[in-house]
Amino acid sequence: GQQLNQSPQSMFIQEGEDVSMNCTSSSIFNTWLWYKQEPGEGPVLLIALYKAGELTSNGRLTAQFGITRKDSFLNISASIPSDVGIYFCAGQKIGNQFYFGTGTSLTVIP
Amino acid sequence: DAGVIQSPRHEVTEMGQEVTLRCKPISGHNSLFWYRQTMMRGLELLIYFNNNVPIDDSGMPEDRFSAKMPNASFSTLKIQPSEPRDSAVYFCASTDYNEQFFGPGTRLTVL
Repeated sequence: GQQLNQSPQSMFIQEGEDVSMNCTSSSIFNTWLWYKQEPGEGPVLLIALYKAGELTSNGRLTAQFGITRKDSFLNISASIPSDVGIYFCAGQKIGNQFYFGTGTSLTVIP
Repeated sequence: DAGVIQSPRHEVTEMGQEVTLRCKPISGHNSLFWYRQTMMRGLELLIYFNNNVPIDDSGMPEDRFSAKMPNASFSTLKIQPSEPRDSAVYFCASTDYNEQFFGPGTRLTVL
């Protein structure tokens, strides 16, 4: 199915640095979700966004639903080693189907 | 709640054998999704159900794949006959309108 454009594809950062990743699409979505997946596990929901312009935080994570409804970003502040994993965005249109980004692989160097 | 439950967690089988993957969604969720994840293709939607009814199965690779949801608390994904290219991690996810929750996945290896 359709995939969202997610960037960057991978990131290598020092512990303590801030991280930013984003997703874009040519389509409008009603909901944006951000997930984290660790090796051998399923994606875990981090943040859900429901309105254009919405800015939501979950601890050190902050995500925004773009005004155009075609994009979203995720920021992680003061990264720590346990932030390592693959981060996926997902958009939902009316009708319930979800579309996923290609993932951003994050490596945090202690 | 125990979350989405999948079984088995790992399955190794030989080409040509039938494989059945099982999923128990979160109680009260009205939609269930089956995904396949590989390094090459990422997360692919195979099929999803709303209120136990299949809505979109356009992602099912071919007739060897079939999925059922006989009731609100159980779904199966069957591959018959299996082939080596079916090797992947298969995820089940359930949704309550806006938020989708994934199971731990079944890692399938077809030799």
